[in-house]
Amino acid sequence: DQQVKQNSPSLSVQEGRISILNCDYTNSMFDYFLWYKKYPAEGPTFLISISSIKDKNEDGRFTVFLNKSAKHLSLHIVPSQPGDSAVYFCAASARNAGNMLTFGGGTRLMVKP
Amino acid sequence: DSGVTQTPKHLITATGQRVTLRCSPRSGDLSVYWYQQSLDQGLQFLIQYYNGEERAKGNILERFSAQQFPDLHSELNLSSLELGDSALYFCASSVGQGFNTIYFGEGSWLTVV
Repeated sequence: DQQVKQNSPSLSVQEGRISILNCDYTNSMFDYFLWYKKYPAEGPTFLISISSIKDKNEDGRFTVFLNKSAKHLSLHIVPSQPGDSAVYFCAASARNAGNMLTFGGGTRLMVKP
Repeated sequence: DSGVTQTPKHLITATGQRVTLRCSPRSGDLSVYWYQQSLDQGLQFLIQYYNGEERAKGNILERFSAQQFPDLHSELNLSSLELGDSALYFCASSVGQGFNTIYFGEGSWLTVV
């Protein structure tokens, strides 16, 4: 039972355009969400997070949107750069589960020059 | 560099053997987490320790065990290894056990032959 799903295994975007990565979840107890970026042979690197009391959080080129009613979150990268090419994981946690993160399967983003 | 250190980076061992993976958390972090990433399973939470005590358990096999020592480093012990245990094992750490950002190490590649 996948509680966090990233339905697009890959995404290709032109440099300078917007990248939109999507994530859906089923557990209504999740109330904290994070995005991680992962390069091959490296550990996941934290990008940005959002708690369920917000619907948007912005950090530089990265913005995360949360739609609680749809149990959907998205990561927007504007403008996309070739160095953004990596696998992006969304993760979720529930207050009553401490800091245990449940990860989606990841989306491979390729930004073409 | 996340500040989380894992050793060894690569390990090849035979079926039936036992290995120990080691993790040093970021300075000041009290929580340590272990995750497994296999090709077809994505990132799976195994176990969490906080200040030496087990806090949460995920999909960890009975053949696997972990502990966190007084100096806060952690070890993941994998025994009676099977081919299917081949995976990338990540350690991560955070300041507390609640809603804190989790920082990942670079992982230990385990290959069971």
